[in-house]
Amino acid sequence: GEDVEQSLFLSVREGDSSVINCTYTDSSSTYLYWYKQEPGAGLQLLTYIFSNMDMKQDQRLTVLLNKKDKHLSLRIADTQTGDSAIYFCAEYLSGGYNKLIFGAGTRLAVHP
Amino acid sequence: DTAVSQTPKYLVTQMGNDKSIKCEQNLGHDTMYWYKQDSKKFLKIMFSYNNKELIINETVPNRFSPKSPDKAHLNLHINSLELGDSAVYFCASSSRTSVVGELFFGEGSRLTVL
Repeated sequence: GEDVEQSLFLSVREGDSSVINCTYTDSSSTYLYWYKQEPGAGLQLLTYIFSNMDMKQDQRLTVLLNKKDKHLSLRIADTQTGDSAIYFCAEYLSGGYNKLIFGAGTRLAVHP
Repeated sequence: DTAVSQTPKYLVTQMGNDKSIKCEQNLGHDTMYWYKQDSKKFLKIMFSYNNKELIINETVPNRFSPKSPDKAHLNLHINSLELGDSAVYFCASSSRTSVVGELFFGEGSRLTVL
């Protein structure tokens, strides 16, 4: 089936780490993504991971993939107020033209 | 320069009316999409066109009709609008030469049906 699930809300203090979690259902997904949506804007690709990787690090972002449990997480170190946004997990379904299945998004609120 | 632009940004209309949303991309991409984001932020694909050819058509009511006059434009026409059509509609584009699954989104068109 096509289903991506995320918790809807996360609140963190500025300077702390944020961890956003996601579960997906299609074990054949080759790529998994994190997109960021700022208020009033469209989604932007933040980072992605190929399914044969367990971890990917990109500056303050760390993506962890547990393929056995179909679990993906995004860790943001030293979270800043500018990181406040909605973060969408997405999986790529093979066999089609870039068919991405998105989760409902996790709203990250960063407070001082 | 805006890469993926949609018009109008806001649209308020009565039930039963017909309306269109336009999308243009200047990235030279060959694939374009319409996504619908409802009030709970669920983002669902509706349609995808590759070089003016319809390649993805999810279970969308046939009141929704996409049209792609050329590969840089993808418009969405909606007939007989219903309350449940209220949502933010996002246009997006992608290229086979970019990262697999990297979509470039417009800013969205917020449709409110009264």
